[in-house]
Amino acid sequence: EVRLVESGGGLVQPGRSLRLSCVASGFTFDDYAMHWVRQAPGKGLEWVSGISWNSGSIGYADSVKGRFTISRDNAKNSLYLQMNSLRAEDTALYYCVKDRSPTGKLNWFDPWGQGTLVTVSS
Amino acid sequence: DIQMTQSPSSLSASVGDRVTITCRASQSISSYLNWYQQKPGKAPKLLIYAASSLQTGVPSRFSGSGSGTDFTLTISSLQPDDFATYYCQQSYSTLLFTFGPGTKVDI
Repeated sequence: EVRLVESGGGLVQPGRSLRLSCVASGFTFDDYAMHWVRQAPGKGLEWVSGISWNSGSIGYADSVKGRFTISRDNAKNSLYLQMNSLRAEDTALYYCVKDRSPTGKLNWFDPWGQGTLVTVSS
Repeated sequence: DIQMTQSPSSLSASVGDRVTITCRASQSISSYLNWYQQKPGKAPKLLIYAASSLQTGVPSRFSGSGSGTDFTLTISSLQPDDFATYYCQQSYSTLLFTFGPGTKVDI
């Protein structure tokens, strides 16, 4: 069974940093691209960032470009999201999501973790 | 960036109704369109990929169609378990994906 378990969320002040982690199991982690998708309270889904199987291709939503950095450690079956200069509008549930392909090309997201909540507030 | 819109934003329906949700892309995305279902307090679940392919385990009352810019998700006979919010997602732009704003289906 594929499992994605996120951690690292919490309450943080505006302008500060936070690092999210996702540990994967039940599949060959380094065969797939991975992503972070977020959902602000009561709002829709927003793709945040994605990374190919070998970290050779990375993408970010415009809303986080220059502030967030995605990375992965295939030896540890782990995905990360370093979030700097956090803003109130970054408050959301952050989901770790598996891609169907190694590169993110022509993809779909399946499955999703249960999410970790990030709250940015003073 | 490719923008996605959905209509309606919400709808009320009864068990047994046929329900149709529309998703439109701001440019042609061929058939690179996926549909997800999300229930309150739960993570989204993949229903349809590549516009019309049913994900394993998803009931056959769900179907998808369309290509280019216009797509449709149809539930042929709405069941109590189907009351949820539905999102479309374009996968045409690699590593620059976007979701539609969602359609809430309730009683």
